[in-house]
Amino acid sequence: EIVLTQSPATLSLSPGERATLSCRASQSVREFLVWYQQKPGQAPRLLMYDASIRATGIPARFSGSGSGTDFTLTISSLEPEDFAVYYCQQRNNWPPITFGQGTRLEI
Amino acid sequence: EVQLVESGGGLIQPGGSLRLSCVVSGLTVDTDYMSWVRQAPGEGLEWVSFTYSGGKSSYADSVKGRFTISRDNSRNTLYLQMNSLRVEDTAVYYCARDPGFGFLYWGQGTLVTVSS
Repeated sequence: EIVLTQSPATLSLSPGERATLSCRASQSVREFLVWYQQKPGQAPRLLMYDASIRATGIPARFSGSGSGTDFTLTISSLEPEDFAVYYCQQRNNWPPITFGQGTRLEI
Repeated sequence: EVQLVESGGGLIQPGGSLRLSCVVSGLTVDTDYMSWVRQAPGEGLEWVSFTYSGGKSSYADSVKGRFTISRDNSRNTLYLQMNSLRVEDTAVYYCARDPGFGFLYWGQGTLVTVSS
């Protein structure tokens, strides 16, 4: 089973600042890494797939990078609606499908 | 518009059974991967099971032998039969669809509470 470790657990920033979230895999997942955003009381929303491809409708301030075991989600300039929990998920070696434990982005 | 609507959650005693349903509109359940993903209160996401065209399915170790995923193509509905429920199965259960690159479509979730 591939274990995904996200850091930091909590990131405290202000609107307008840049956010950098990390996801590290216990073994290579090539480029098959997905990022989700989840707000309280809502289902997750797919943001990025294949590490760096934005899903339809996702603003350009979101970008993803990485391959192998180290991945980054960057939000270039935080908007108030970006404060949420972010999860990574690998889809290279499954089952099982695995998620990271999440990073809480808070004001 | 694609919609996934779960139902069937509720309060159940340990050892009991529940069947969750996920009615899909705007897509068919007989293509792509259809999954169940759960989230315990205040916790992260945990994949539970998937099924895909051809009828194959897979389960997380934590539910293997207790949960069964199935679908009714005529009703465009995905199911999760949950037996021998444990307190640690308490979670919001989401159905989700992966069109080949990630879980793009999600339902709103249904809460299962296992407690005596």
